[in-house]
Amino acid sequence: GAGVSQSPRYKVAKRGQDVALRCDPISGHVSLFWYQQALGQGPEFLTYFQNEAQLDKSGLPSDRFFAERPEGSVSTLKIQRTQQEDSAVYLCASSRLAGEEDTQYFGPGTRLTVL
Amino acid sequence: GQQVMQIPQYQHVQEGEDFTTYCNSSTTLSNIQWYKQRPGGHPVFLIQLVKSGEVKKQKRLTFQFGEAKKNSSLHITATQTTDVGTYFCAGRGIYNQGGKLIFGQGTELSVKP
Repeated sequence: GAGVSQSPRYKVAKRGQDVALRCDPISGHVSLFWYQQALGQGPEFLTYFQNEAQLDKSGLPSDRFFAERPEGSVSTLKIQRTQQEDSAVYLCASSRLAGEEDTQYFGPGTRLTVL
Repeated sequence: GQQVMQIPQYQHVQEGEDFTTYCNSSTTLSNIQWYKQRPGGHPVFLIQLVKSGEVKKQKRLTFQFGEAKKNSSLHITATQTTDVGTYFCAGRGIYNQGGKLIFGQGTELSVKP
C-alpha cells in the first residue's frame, strides 16, 4: 500500500474491556514496530517484529499487552483488561529491511481512551 | 536504560526568527533520526545522521551529530508558519538490535506570523 495504515483510528473502551488494534505495514516491509505515545510525550517503544518473529518485547508495560504478526505482514496489538493509564496513541511503524539504519515509516496511530 | 533528553520543551518564535532544538543521549548512539509531528498527526521522518560530526542540510533546516555521537541539534533558519509542529529526535543505541528507536520528549514549535 501507499503507507502504513492503522485501525481503528479512535477507540473508546470501558475500564476492564479488551481491545485489539490493527496495523497494516507497507507491503513487503520486513520490520514492524509498535510505540505508545502519551499526550505531550515522545513515542515509547513497545515491541518489534522481524517478519513473523517477535524479537523484542522489552517495552510492553505489563502482561496485559500482547502483540502478534502471524504471517509476517499485518500485526495486532491486544490490550486485556484495559486501565485508564493505557489511554494513549498507539503508533505502528514499518521499515523495509531489518537493518539498524533503516527509515521507519509511521502510521496515523490509534487513539485509545479508557473511561 | 538508555535515555534521550531534548530541550527546550516549547519554543515560541516570531516568523522569520531562527529556532534550535537540542538532543542529548545518556549513551553513545549508533545513529540518530529526526521526525516532525504536526498537531493531530503522526511522526514524519526528516533525516538520519550516522557519522560522528556529521552535518546535513535540507533547505532551511540544518542537522548536526556530535563528535561523541551522544548529542544532536536541529536548527531552522528564518522560520515560517509551515514549520509549526513538534520536532523529535530518536536515537538508536549501539547495542540495539533491529532498529528500536528511543525518542526524546520533543520540542513544540509555534510560529507567530
